[in-house]
Formats: sequence, C-alpha cells, structure tokens
Amino acid sequence: SQQGEEDPQALSIQEGENATMNCSYKTSINNLQWYRQNSGRGLVHLILIRSNEREKHSGRLRVTLDTSKKSSSLLITASRAADTASYFCAPQTGGGNKLTFGTGTQLKVEL
Amino acid sequence: GAGVSQSPSNKVTEKGKDVELRCDPISGHTALYWYRQSLGQGLEFLIYFQGNSAPDKSGLPSDRFSAERTGGSVSTLTIQRTQQEDSAVYLCASSSTIGGGSTEAFFGQGTRLTVV
Repeated sequence: SQQGEEDPQALSIQEGENATMNCSYKTSINNLQWYRQNSGRGLVHLILIRSNEREKHSGRLRVTLDTSKKSSSLLITASRAADTASYFCAPQTGGGNKLTFGTGTQLKVEL
Repeated sequence: GAGVSQSPSNKVTEKGKDVELRCDPISGHTALYWYRQSLGQGLEFLIYFQGNSAPDKSGLPSDRFSAERTGGSVSTLTIQRTQQEDSAVYLCASSSTIGGGSTEAFFGQGTRLTVV
C-alpha cells in the first residue's frame, strides 16, 4: 500500500471558479480514489479511477490519471460554497489492499 | 444498517482509563479499516482487517492500542490507559473486494475521543 500526497495543502477560490487539486504517488497502482471530508468527520467517496483509465467524469468532477508521471488531478468545475471541504486521494496497489491517505487539500470556496 | 455505524459518537474519558470504540460495518463488506485524525491533520492509518487474513496492525501507535473483529463483522478498537495525546476522532470504514479489485470505502461518522 502507499499514501498519496495532495497539493496544494490549501486552496481558496471564489464561487463559480474551477478548483484543481493534485495527487502524487510512488509505486504502480490498481486504482486511485478521491474522497471529500466535511467538518472533520466521515469521508465520502467521490470517484475511483482504474489504472487503465486516463480520465473520468462525475457531475462537476473530472479526474485524470497519468500513470507515467504517477499523478492524478481532481478538477471541480463551477465551484460552490458547499464544495468547501478537505479532499484526499488514496492510491491503491492491489485488490484488498489497505487504503492510506495523505494530509489532503483544504478547499475553501468563498461567496 | 444502510451505512457504517460507529459508537459512541463522542466520548470523554479521564487519563488512565480504558475506552472501547465500536464499529458496525456494512453487511457483507470483507475489509474494515480504523483511522485516527487529530484536529486539522490527515488520516492516520491504524489497523486493517481483510476477510479471514491476519489483520495489518502496522499503524497502531503503541501496545496500548488493540482491535478485534468478531465473526468478520463488528469491530472494537480498545485503548488502554488513555493519554491526552490519544484525543482525536477515530474513523472506521468498510469496503468490499470484487474480482480481486477493491471498491470504494464507506466511512462512519467517527468517534470523537477527548481525554481529560
């Protein structure tokens, strides 16, 4: 298993703008997952992208994966105040492997 | 139940006492995780159960921490002789494994532990 490193640590934008968060990891993966956390409680799964996928969309979310650079990005388009949260990536190396998380990106969307 | 349930949601205990935190995973999920999160920090991995395999305890910070999972379902995280630095939110998550690949993890709302 391995831990992803999110960048930037903190991001502040205006409502309506796009937010981009990046994740880097160290070894080959089976999949990479993104999660959101509001108010320091349970995380909510956003999207899972497999190693043979390059891009995935879900509503206003767009995730890309570049396995050659061992990096992923999460784009939130047309951000809303309700998107204010911490965002974590979790690269996973194999079936049934434990999930580990980095310190996350704290996104603040201001009105 | 429909989701991962943790109890209690809040626990205040005196330094030196033992505490037990409970996690009810989603029925049928073979994987169960425990994490700890201090204020403003990331998630610190504690322990991982996967089916009938031996648990991965590599994240437990000291021998005061232990966890068990009975019958492949409910899990209990026990902290003995609590210290103030144990104060944190303890999160539990569960997931299933399909065809050798893992699926998304579902998290409980956590137990906020305060050691006074």
